[in-house]
Amino acid sequence: QKEVEQDPGPLSVPEGAIVSLNCTYSNSAFQYFMWYRQYSRKGPELLMYTYSSGNKEDGRFTAQVDKSSKYISLFIRDSQPSDSATYLCAMSSFTGGGNKLTFGTGTQLKVEL
Amino acid sequence: GAGVSQSPSNKVTEKGKDVELRCDPISGHTALYWYRQSLGQGLEFLIYFQGNSAPDKSGLPSDRFSAERTGGSVSTLTIQRTQQEDSAVYLCASSLNWGNSGNTIYFGEGSWLTVV
Repeated sequence: QKEVEQDPGPLSVPEGAIVSLNCTYSNSAFQYFMWYRQYSRKGPELLMYTYSSGNKEDGRFTAQVDKSSKYISLFIRDSQPSDSATYLCAMSSFTGGGNKLTFGTGTQLKVEL
Repeated sequence: GAGVSQSPSNKVTEKGKDVELRCDPISGHTALYWYRQSLGQGLEFLIYFQGNSAPDKSGLPSDRFSAERTGGSVSTLTIQRTQQEDSAVYLCASSLNWGNSGNTIYFGEGSWLTVV
């Protein structure tokens, strides 16, 4: 069983929809949670970073962490065609070093006009 | 350059040959990482370098893989006697330092390796 599970999609939504992307994990030591966006043939870029449980909002993006359920989510409001990309969750533990990341496999998102 | 630079961007090699992949991190970044991204597998940690400390090689999949970082800047990932299962995108990343969570990690665009 992988430490981080993520539905690979693809997920197709109409423009303007609310998108929900999710990951589950098994390692209770994970404390730092991130979402990366990766366009085709590009490197991942950091979208959201959250420490421990709670919510964080940045523009149209909201990240949620529920450590009791070992479940994290990324919500995208008013989705745009430019949001079409692969979204990767990533996480790390304090003992592993803050930047030694364990990634999900990524969810491919397509926002259609 | 402004970002993490990797070369070559694409490499096709014959099974059994050695390959070298190069990474030039963002100027001033002391931490450098190599990850591998295979189809349907997500990003897999390979190795990291932090300043002059000994590298963490815990993610290297076999002794055919090695990496070095010269002068605390440019890094080279070497794969000896390549196998078809080595075909993947090799991503390099850098950050200002290591162990400071939330410290933004910047990725390059990757070296796309195909072993035929």
